This record gives sequence, C-alpha cells and structure tokens, in this order.
Amino acid sequence: DIQMTQSPSSLSASVGDRVTITCRASQSISSHLNWYQQKPGKAPKLLIYAASSLQTGVPSGFSGSGSGTDFTLSINFLQPEDFATYYCQQTYSTPWTFGQGTKVEIK
Amino acid sequence: EVQLVESGGGLVQPGRSLRLSCTASGFTFGDYGMSWFRQAPGKGLEWVGFIRRKAYGGATEYAASVKGRFTISRDDSKSIAYLQMNSLKTEDTAVYYCTRVRRFGSSSNPDVYYYGLDVWGQGTTVTVSS
Repeated sequence: DIQMTQSPSSLSASVGDRVTITCRASQSISSHLNWYQQKPGKAPKLLIYAASSLQTGVPSGFSGSGSGTDFTLSINFLQPEDFATYYCQQTYSTPWTFGQGTKVEIK
Repeated sequence: EVQLVESGGGLVQPGRSLRLSCTASGFTFGDYGMSWFRQAPGKGLEWVGFIRRKAYGGATEYAASVKGRFTISRDDSKSIAYLQMNSLKTEDTAVYYCTRVRRFGSSSNPDVYYYGLDVWGQGTTVTVSS
C-alpha cells in the first residue's frame, strides 16, 4: 500500500496569511494526487485533482503543486471559511489512501 | 442539483449485517463509478471500495479490511449504489460516505486519466456495538 504523510498535522494561522501543507507519498504516484477540505460534521470537498488542477467552483486562492512523491497545497490570503482539515489522497493505485490530515486553526 | 443521499445506517450488533444505500440525482448515474469511504469517530478518511460503471464491467475493488465481508453493487435503473456489510465488527463503526468517481483527462497525455471524488453524500452513521 502507498503511505501518504502530511505535514504539519496542525497549524495556527491568521486571516490573510498564506498557508502551505505538504504531502509525501511512499512511492512515486506521478500526479495522481487530490486534495480535500473537510469541515466538522460535513463531508469532504474536492479542491484539487491531478496534483494541480483546481476543481470547478473552488476559489483561486487554493493551488496545488508537485509530482512524483512530494506535493504541496497552498492557500493564499486565508479566509475565515478556510479553517478546516485538509487531506491529500492518492489514486495512483488501490487501495486509495489518504494522508492523516492537517487541521488549520485560527490563531 | 447533483446530489448523493446515503441511508441505512444505524446501531447493529457485532456479527450482524447492514445494507447502506446511496441514491443519486441530478446526473446520469450509469456514466460514473461509485466509491464508498468511511471515517471512524475522530479519525481520518479510509477508502472502503468502489464499483466501476457497467461500461467497464461493473468491476469492484475493496480495502483489505473489508474484503470478503463487504459487497458493493449498483442498480443503474434506480440510480442507487449499495454497500452490503456482513460480519460487522466494532472497528467498522464510522460515518460512511458514498462518492461519485469523476474521471479527469490529462491536458498533456490523452492516454492518462486522473480520478477524483467530486460529489459526496452527507454520510450515514454505522455503530457496531453490543
């Protein structure tokens, strides 16, 4: 199974900050990497697919980069509604696996 | 509106069975693969399995933790996906989500496709306890 490791596990930031979350795969997954946002009590929401493609309707302040084993999710100008938990997920091979999540909290 | 609605969750004793349903609306159900995920209380996301669309044979794949106990099926005429869960264990306690599997093409290579879960249901809670 491909292991996905996110860092940090949590972070505190202020509205307007730029935030970066990293995700590392235990083997190369090319660009088969998605990012999701989950708020408490809600289903996850697809933000980024194919490592860097913005899902329709997602604000342009979100961006993804990387390929192979190392990936990054960036959030520019953090908004109040962006405080949530973020997960990376690989769909390169089954079982599809997720990172453990990064909780973005208000400083 | 594109929507997925799960139902069928509840409290069940260990060793018993439960069937979850995922009713789709707002899109052509048969054109998409469907997948199930779960999230144990306070934990992260775990893939349970998926079913391909009929055009790809309707094949299924499962996580090792549920293989042989869980079965995913679909009824395209009703736009419903099912998750049959047998021999339930306490560690199966979780919120279960069904999702639509969206296939995205690559802008640089027409032979490459990427998969993302672009529509999620609201989730249904399964509690396995005596």
